[in-house]
Amino acid sequence: DAGVTQSPTHLIKTRGQQVTLRCSPKSGHDTVSWYQQALGQGPQFIFQYYEEEERQRGNFPDRFSGHQFPNYSSELNVNALLLGDSALYLCASSFRPGTVGKTQYFGPGTRLLVL
Amino acid sequence: GENVEQHPSTLSVQEGDSAVIKCTYSDSASNYFPWYKQELGKRPQLIIDIRSNVGEKKDQRIAVTLNKTAKHFSLHITETQPEDSAVYFCAASSGYSTLTFGKGTMLLVSP
Repeated sequence: DAGVTQSPTHLIKTRGQQVTLRCSPKSGHDTVSWYQQALGQGPQFIFQYYEEEERQRGNFPDRFSGHQFPNYSSELNVNALLLGDSALYLCASSFRPGTVGKTQYFGPGTRLLVL
Repeated sequence: GENVEQHPSTLSVQEGDSAVIKCTYSDSASNYFPWYKQELGKRPQLIIDIRSNVGEKKDQRIAVTLNKTAKHFSLHITETQPEDSAVYFCAASSGYSTLTFGKGTMLLVSP
């Protein structure tokens, strides 16, 4: 049973560039959430995808966008990178949003460094 | 939106002692409260969770309690071991919305 996977593991970019991060959910899961974790902080919710649509969004600018594919995998895109975008980007998968919070399992994350 | 406060930010205990981490939440609609353990450079790992229809849940040395009236929940670790050393995060969710995390507690268990 494959867990949540993410690629790449590390990435170095310069200010103004664009980056794409990828996530494959745990087998049997159909919902993907993305989080940003700055050093020494808790994960902060970016957005959630279900049925190939963005369902929920946190307090992040439009420079952050995403996509979900028919096989439930997902991409996070960040445009016009800023130094402050340096962080660990975590993907979490779960099964079908509902009226009760769902268990989310995290991937290993992509560490992004913006110079 | 939801706001989760977590205390303490750091906690040092001796091996074999108990450790307690406390969280409060603001949104009375929250109904799911997981706890994650994150070791340095690793992913957050779910260690225990509780839903609002339950007041307490236990899994071996780990237990979580929930007080919906006061809007707080706590993690209890008994007989701590050095391998329990990590950062622990509490979180809250009200369904359809996703997880709001606390700022984390760094637990250090000394042999």
